[in-house]
Amino acid sequence: KAGVTQTPRYLIKTRGQQVTLSCSPISGHRSVSWYQQTPGQGLQFLFEYFSETQRNKGNFPGRFSGRQFSNSRSEMNVSTLELGDSALYLCASSLNRGLNEQYFGPGTRLTVT
Amino acid sequence: AQTVTQSQPEMSVQEAETVTLSCTYDTSESDYYLFWYKQPPSRQMILVIRQEAYKQQNATENRFSVNFQKAAKSFSLKISDSQLGDAAMYFCAYRSTTSGTYKYIFGTGTRLKVLA
Repeated sequence: KAGVTQTPRYLIKTRGQQVTLSCSPISGHRSVSWYQQTPGQGLQFLFEYFSETQRNKGNFPGRFSGRQFSNSRSEMNVSTLELGDSALYLCASSLNRGLNEQYFGPGTRLTVT
Repeated sequence: AQTVTQSQPEMSVQEAETVTLSCTYDTSESDYYLFWYKQPPSRQMILVIRQEAYKQQNATENRFSVNFQKAAKSFSLKISDSQLGDAAMYFCAYRSTTSGTYKYIFGTGTRLKVLA
């Protein structure tokens, strides 16, 4: 099976712009979670989607949003980008919610200038 | 709220030697999962080992083993016979088993350097 894929791998945006990141989970996986990784804060949970519904949300402002499609693919959107949004954004998928192991994608490196 | 603390930002180990990475956590729950994830320089995060809180026996995966001390809320990772390929960031993570709150909480990571 193919692993979790994320596109694009690298992205450079200007402050004030918006960005959309995409995540394709492992085939058959229905749960997708998003994380922001920065050197100072480590990995911070953004949100989790399951069956096209957001099930959990981390402590991020409303500028961060996401969605999941019927094929379990997920997108996250960040509006009005700030310099502090520069980070590696990781997507992880699991078979179902709960006790299943998460498999991570390679991440999207977002740089905001 | 649960927290995970990794107090060692960086560790070094000689090839073939043993190293232990520390992790402590705070929770009021009695049932949960603990994980160690490895993130090599290529950035793909992979699961190293997992421990169910209700199991007293420490988990082992080949050269990787944990020392799980539930009362002390400690979850350390021991890597035996260290190899150059073990060099990576290691993250300790906690996951609640309470329905509806399955999100992971990660520590800030420990960078492991393996010296030849």
